[in-house]
Amino acid sequence: DTGVSQDPRHKITKRGQNVTFRCDPISEHNRLYWYRQTLGQGPEFLTYFQNEAQLEKSRLLSDRFSAERPKGSFSTLEIQRTEQGDSAMYLCASSLEGYAYEQYFGPGTRLTVT
Amino acid sequence: KQEVTQIPAALSVPEGENLVLNCSFTDSAIYNLQWFRQDPGKGLTSLLLIQSSQREQTSGRLNASLDKSSGRSTLYIAASQPGDSATYLCAVRLGTDKLIFGTGTRLQVFP
Repeated sequence: DTGVSQDPRHKITKRGQNVTFRCDPISEHNRLYWYRQTLGQGPEFLTYFQNEAQLEKSRLLSDRFSAERPKGSFSTLEIQRTEQGDSAMYLCASSLEGYAYEQYFGPGTRLTVT
Repeated sequence: KQEVTQIPAALSVPEGENLVLNCSFTDSAIYNLQWFRQDPGKGLTSLLLIQSSQREQTSGRLNASLDKSSGRSTLYIAASQPGDSATYLCAVRLGTDKLIFGTGTRLQVFP
């Protein structure tokens, strides 16, 4: 069991550029979640998937954000036309449906928009 | 709207002390509550999960309690060590499966 992995761990980009992050969940987990965390705050929910179906999206997820989980395994989170306010830690978590729904988190991707 | 509050925001104690971290939530209709640890610049490590039907969970020097009716949970850390220094976050799971987090308690244990 290698845990939840995220790539890249750090990303620095200029305002207006597009960025894409990847999350690989724990292999048998069918639920996958994205959260965003800004400095000094707790993580905030963005969206989650059960297998390949996106079941819920937060109002925080503007139309510049899109998430996919095409084959029910890894997921990508894309931010288009990045803004300085997008600077944050993006966290991915996974869980196994029906087993306490305990969520296991990855190390996060730190995004800095200059 | 569910809100989660953690008190204190920061805590600094000498090694060996027993600690209590507090978490309160406004809506008692939760499915479970998780306590996490976060080291600076890192992801979250799950410490304990308490189902809504449970009153407490224990793991090593950690004990978490849940009182759903009053909207409160506590995390008790026995015999604190410098390696316990981190931010501790509590989160409640709602029926839609998302977690709502508090802002955390930043703990420093000095030798």
